[in-house]
Amino acid sequence: DAKTTQPPSMDCAEGRAANLPCNHSTISGNEYVYWYRQIHSQGPQYIIHGLKNNETNEMASLIITEDRKSSTLILPHATLRDTAVYYCIVRVAFNYGQNFVFGPGTRLSVLP
Amino acid sequence: GAVVSQHPSRVICKSGTSVKIECRSLDFQATTMFWYRQFPKQSLMLMATSNEGSKATYEQGVEKDKFLINHASLTLSTLTVTSAHPEDSSFYICSASSDWAEQFFGPGTRLTVL
Repeated sequence: DAKTTQPPSMDCAEGRAANLPCNHSTISGNEYVYWYRQIHSQGPQYIIHGLKNNETNEMASLIITEDRKSSTLILPHATLRDTAVYYCIVRVAFNYGQNFVFGPGTRLSVLP
Repeated sequence: GAVVSQHPSRVICKSGTSVKIECRSLDFQATTMFWYRQFPKQSLMLMATSNEGSKATYEQGVEKDKFLINHASLTLSTLTVTSAHPEDSSFYICSASSDWAEQFFGPGTRLTVL
């Protein structure tokens, strides 16, 4: 079973920041928080991952609370192409023998 | 990032036939490959894990004689759906990883069994 809980759906206006929350209250000390997204009929796309510090890349920012029990993915300026299902997953990093466990994710709809 | 391809991207077949789906890691050697299945409006579910040169490990409820997995090289894994039936229609996704490359997902294969 997935170790994370996310809201089933969210809407965001185009050009605004999209903030997607994730709860992972049972996260272990060696587990990272990963975010992937899946655009309709495509494979999952990696977005970002982090352990405890906030992370930023060209796609998004990841804010992890100090107790690591929750995190927020931020898409700073959402576009229509960001409409997708977003998955928050906790997993030991670079454990190449371990699969990702996908929950239902959050369906983000970016509205014009 | 590393690239994982799948072929074909979509396939339609008649009930009772077998279908082979290929998963390739294009620019790295994949120690482990994973096969997932995704039904409409559902999340990805792991079917099996395969390591190069050894037998695949199947998840509970996945028939190993129906879903044949071969991981004969470090860049290629195949999933063969034998005697496919309409209930096997789904989106099949592979991913690949190595001891230095984080897991990368393929674009998926849409299987429709008539």
